Amino acid sequence: ETGVTQTPRHLVMGMTNKKSLKCEQHLGHNAMYWYKQSAKKPLELMFVYNFKEQTENNSVPSRFSPECPNSSHLFLHLHTLQPEDSALYLCASSQEQSPYGYTFGSGTRLTVV
Amino acid sequence: AQSVTQLGSHVSVSEGALVLLRCNYSSSVPPYLFWYVQYPNQGLQLLLKYTSAATLVKGINGFEAEFKKSETSFHLTKPSAHMSDAAEYFCAVSVAQGSYIPTFGRGTSLIVHP
Repeated sequence: ETGVTQTPRHLVMGMTNKKSLKCEQHLGHNAMYWYKQSAKKPLELMFVYNFKEQTENNSVPSRFSPECPNSSHLFLHLHTLQPEDSALYLCASSQEQSPYGYTFGSGTRLTVV
Repeated sequence: AQSVTQLGSHVSVSEGALVLLRCNYSSSVPPYLFWYVQYPNQGLQLLLKYTSAATLVKGINGFEAEFKKSETSFHLTKPSAHMSDAAEYFCAVSVAQGSYIPTFGRGTSLIVHP
């Protein structure tokens, strides 16, 4: 498998549930990112990991908890979400410190009910 | 800090017509510029990038963009639209001082009429 793979593609969860989103990249990149894409809003950068270390957290609520066990895998753990958290969550990867652009996964469409 | 502005949230063209999607950027240092395309229920896919080499950049699917420093623009064009080009297009800018983390525009939805 090549590229950036995100699972699941769709997720419906209640506000009291706990779930996790998974991202895996097979490109040999060493930086990974979580983005949130909501309707009629710009793309929002949530977290940045370089060489497994979190280097950026853009004031994301604590109900979102990222985990990066190695350079190929990235998780987003979700708990006690709100309906306004419903969005498309995109994972991306890149070579750290390079201007060559990002490779994105297909995203997880999250609906909080 | 860098920024991009995409003029027009929607652009509508007929199949076979010229596609022109506008992007203007702001940056105090030399920028790197990108266009991404997003099809429904998909992630973003890199169309093309400008990284300080040739100012006219050719990308996938017949798209190209020209970096014009004097106009701070990086407009995306395609000579002849195809129905399959209907998608959301995002312009992005990054700079070395920001660890190359891009700033994205709000996107332009391209609608192609038969």
